Amino acid sequence: GQNIDQPTEMTATEGAIVQINCTYQTSGFNGLFWYQQHAGEAPTFLSYNVLDGLEEKGRFSSFLSRSKGYSYLLLKELQMKDSASYLCAVRDSNYQLIWGAGTKLIIKP
Amino acid sequence: IAGITQAPTSQILAAGRRMTLRCTQDMRHNAMYWYRQDLGLGLRLIHYSNTAGTTGKGEVPDGYSVSRANTDDFPLTLASAVPSQTSVYFCASSVRGGETDTQYFGPGTRLTVL
Repeated sequence: GQNIDQPTEMTATEGAIVQINCTYQTSGFNGLFWYQQHAGEAPTFLSYNVLDGLEEKGRFSSFLSRSKGYSYLLLKELQMKDSASYLCAVRDSNYQLIWGAGTKLIIKP
Repeated sequence: IAGITQAPTSQILAAGRRMTLRCTQDMRHNAMYWYRQDLGLGLRLIHYSNTAGTTGKGEVPDGYSVSRANTDDFPLTLASAVPSQTSVYFCASSVRGGETDTQYFGPGTRLTVL
């Protein structure tokens, strides 16, 4: 079967750095996505990785290792507005997205 | 309209009733999708459409139907609602083509079936 694993919840301090991990087992791989979802709102696109390595976008970076079936999202200089759920999704061989359950990130002052 | 709109925002429905959730996009995206999101679970694909006039089944299609008469609209119908269909429903769209083919989501419909 297909499986995406992420921690259920993480807590971090304002101004700090946090790394959210995602491991996957899917039938085929055509890219990995990270989305942010604030409570009661729609998911919004953060990043996309299809090749191994690090993609940096301002305070957010995403890393991929295809051989290990592993990705992480790195958030720097945390702000209170970063409190949200972070969803990892893998596009499989049928070109459909398989979603993890999401990691709820709580930021404390 | 800018992006994707969904209606209604929320709905309480009696079991056995028929309900259509509406989704409209103005981005001229080829592909559209319907997901449900339940606590503790990832988004699950119900149905999708790669282009107007075609539809396909996702992971959890039972009890739902869709149509895609034109590019902009992709309604989801529950023929006879059951309590297990209580969920938040998101519509999404993508260009369907190009490297990233990022999906963009509507604001969601919160449906409660009693």
